[in-house]
Amino acid sequence: QVQLQESGPGLVRPSQTLSLTCTVSGDPMRRGGFFWTWIRHHPGKGLEWIGYAYYTGITFYNPSLRTRVIISVDTSKNQFSLNLTSVTAADTAMYYCATDVYGPPRNRFDTWGQGIQVTVSS
Amino acid sequence: QSMLTQPPSVSGAPGQSINISCAGSSSNIGAGSDVHWYQQLPGTAPKLLIYGNSNRPSGVPDRFSGSRSDTSASLAITGLQAEDEADYYCQSYDRSLTVVFGGGTKLTVL
Repeated sequence: QVQLQESGPGLVRPSQTLSLTCTVSGDPMRRGGFFWTWIRHHPGKGLEWIGYAYYTGITFYNPSLRTRVIISVDTSKNQFSLNLTSVTAADTAMYYCATDVYGPPRNRFDTWGQGIQVTVSS
Repeated sequence: QSMLTQPPSVSGAPGQSINISCAGSSSNIGAGSDVHWYQQLPGTAPKLLIYGNSNRPSGVPDRFSGSRSDTSASLAITGLQAEDEADYYCQSYDRSLTVVFGGGTKLTVL
């Protein structure tokens, strides 16, 4: 049973880079088979898929964020990370890491972290 | 703007049944992409409720059911209970190579 835990700063300054880490426990990442995913939830709005990375390094990103986002996997640390550059107030959201066993086009998110609130403000 | 459209809110009395619609297009649901549903209880992360249009993960009561037709999908809840009060989201895959979610529906149990 995979378990996920997000970590990182809760406050980021505008124009800076948002960096979050998701620590994976319960199932070694190096066994593969998962698309390691980031999803966010803006206050009062719906969920937004950010992107995911396969353990091989292949990545898929939301076109609306593609120029600013990098998702990377570190199997030696059982972690995967999100970097979102040039943030604005519009990036204020609850950020979740999640697992997807199937990948495109059958994506579904079976396991979620508890989420981490990130606020972009000076 | 979400690529999948859900009603912002629905309500029902305990014991009643409700349906939540999820309208897509020919590039996602209409293209044959599976629809999945998530339940988000207050203060918690979303939880997979229905997968592959109509399948329930282990532990999900059979009061919850899903269906898909043409370019839309629907989540049905029968025998409403107070603990069903939550936000519900549909999700699918779009041919633009994007995972898409609905805007969410807030269920109020009266």
